[in-house]
Amino acid sequence: DVKVTQSSRYLVKRTGEKVFLECVQDMDHENMFWYRQDPGLGLRLIYFSYDVKMKEKGDIPEGYSVSREKKERFSLILESASTNQTSMYLCASGESRRTVEAFFGQGTRLTVV
Amino acid sequence: GDSVTQMEGPVTLSEEAFLTINCTYTATGYPSLFWYVQYPGEGLQLLLKATKADDKGSNKGFEATYRKETTSFHLEKGSVQVSDSAVYFCALLSGSSNTGKLIFGQGTTLQVKP
Repeated sequence: DVKVTQSSRYLVKRTGEKVFLECVQDMDHENMFWYRQDPGLGLRLIYFSYDVKMKEKGDIPEGYSVSREKKERFSLILESASTNQTSMYLCASGESRRTVEAFFGQGTRLTVV
Repeated sequence: GDSVTQMEGPVTLSEEAFLTINCTYTATGYPSLFWYVQYPGEGLQLLLKATKADDKGSNKGFEATYRKETTSFHLEKGSVQVSDSAVYFCALLSGSSNTGKLIFGQGTTLQVKP
């Protein structure tokens, strides 16, 4: 089975802190994605990557950055956390650019106080 | 741009009732369509998919048919169980996409009561 693991289930951070969310997949997938999930808004794509050291902006990249130094790991960085970044963050991976299935991690519930 | 619209929730049903969750989409070309399910406390998992018009995806008693003429992909199940309580997301992958990027609807919460 494909496994996508997010480093934390719950995080509480203070406004202005730099926050790192880590995601690791074990299936040698090319594609990796970061989404945020908010009630009534569904999932919105923050950033994605289809190769090591490659990254592309999604629909809501403002206030975020990403890093992909190794194929299996994709990190989401909140440069200076704000309360409007309180959300559920979901990481996903996919086999290739034309994949028809994405595999999701269990999510990280981030609260910024 | 491409988009997905789902019916508003929550949907509350009694066990063994018939379920329909509506999903319509806007897309250029020929997208692939998906239903993902999120059980409480978990990430999303693929429930079913359809990659071309008139295809029917099915899994675990759930079905959805890709209707190009009505740009719809409604999810149905003949007899729901308490264990089906979850959030359901309709999604599309653009036919012109070369990134594997999915576009999701807002999600519909289903609650099934015994």
